[in-house]
Amino acid sequence: AQSVTQPDIHITVSEGASLELRCNYSYGATPYLFWYVQSPGQGLQLLLKYFSGDTLVQGIKGFEAEFKRSQSSFNLRKPSVHWSDAAEYFCAVGARGNTGKLIFGQGTTLQVKP
Amino acid sequence: EAGVTQFPSHSVIEKGQTVTLRCDPISGHDNLYWYRRVMGKEIKFLLHFVKESKQDESGMPNNRFLAERTGGTYSTLKVQPAELEDSGVYFCASSQDFGGQTYNEQFFGPGTRLTVL
Repeated sequence: AQSVTQPDIHITVSEGASLELRCNYSYGATPYLFWYVQSPGQGLQLLLKYFSGDTLVQGIKGFEAEFKRSQSSFNLRKPSVHWSDAAEYFCAVGARGNTGKLIFGQGTTLQVKP
Repeated sequence: EAGVTQFPSHSVIEKGQTVTLRCDPISGHDNLYWYRRVMGKEIKFLLHFVKESKQDESGMPNNRFLAERTGGTYSTLKVQPAELEDSGVYFCASSQDFGGQTYNEQFFGPGTRLTVL
């Protein structure tokens, strides 16, 4: 069965520090991979996506993610965190060839210390 | 361009009552999705409309949930009668039509927080 695991429920980093949020997936083939962010009172916003090609993808707000097939991972990174990055982050997979249904991880809440 | 909107933003009802959630997708988006997040759990798919047709309703938890999308525009999700375990945040998302292997971004609304007492 398809599943997504985000091992870290909460992460706290200092402003200006680097960030890595982990995501592992279980799927029989290479899925579509996504990272979404949700700020309080807002809908989920797409940060970046991976469909094929270069395994390092760039997204909005200075985020990037790397697809590692051998590890079934799609970790999200940012070199320098800003206070405005405090939010909840969701990793998701979408099966190829289906209707577009997304399967989400449990989410990681990021707190940024001044 | 307006994004996906959902109404109400919050709803508090008692067990056994009926609640109807509404979603207005982005204009022109044929695909409309409902998802739900129960507290402490992951966001889970409920169902998918293509225009007014239900393409996939494999995530609907039981027959107390009824989703409609009359005319292929806005959608409603009715819970009748509501149970305690229905509490959570209900998200709606929409995307443009896609064909073949193309995968279009889903745009999410802010969600409706439902509390069943």
